[in-house]
Amino acid sequence: AQKITQTQPGMFVQEKEAVTLDCTYDTSDPSYGLFWYKQPSSGEMIFLIYQGSYDQQNATEGRYSLNFQKARKSANLVISASQLGDSAMYFCAMRDSLIQGAQKLVFGQGTRLTINP
Amino acid sequence: SAVISQKPSRDICQRGTSLTIQCQVDSQVTMMFWYRQQPGQSLTLIATANQGSEATYESGFVIDKFPISRPNLTFSTLTVSNMSPEDSSIYLCSVVAGEGFFGPGTRLTVL
Repeated sequence: AQKITQTQPGMFVQEKEAVTLDCTYDTSDPSYGLFWYKQPSSGEMIFLIYQGSYDQQNATEGRYSLNFQKARKSANLVISASQLGDSAMYFCAMRDSLIQGAQKLVFGQGTRLTINP
Repeated sequence: SAVISQKPSRDICQRGTSLTIQCQVDSQVTMMFWYRQQPGQSLTLIATANQGSEATYESGFVIDKFPISRPNLTFSTLTVSNMSPEDSSIYLCSVVAGEGFFGPGTRLTVL
């Protein structure tokens, strides 16, 4: 069975510093996708970044990058130059298929990130 | 990218009543997913809605409590039946169209 683990319930970071949110996963399927979402207090789920298991390079989207270490089964999110607006819950999720629309997402427990001015 | 809308955005309901949540996607998708997020918790999949067939429910969720309709490739509804305060949650629909898009959610409070 798939499993996603986020070991940091909460993190506090000074504005403009970089922050790394940890995520480890467990799956026996060689084909999978990893996602990071941001959930502000409004409750909406905002897609941040995606990494496929066969992607050769780490995914990047603006200030977000995914540190994908396949052998260690980790997919940490790195936010560079943090901003006050980055304060939110962050969820790591996995899909155990690379076929679009084929499979559900399994979520980690989330990390609450607070950016201090 | 898919644009997903949900109605209502929030509601306060009395115990024992039912609420139907609508989810509309701006493009045709094969599968739509309904998730529940209880207060302070992560997201849990309720069911997968396929057009033209019965929804597939996850362990712990039953059709009598959460009936789902999927009349076409762009629309689905989730009904929360015979509600109790334990059903107070955010309910989100999703389509895994490449990047796993979610609707804005329905924040339900049951008194």
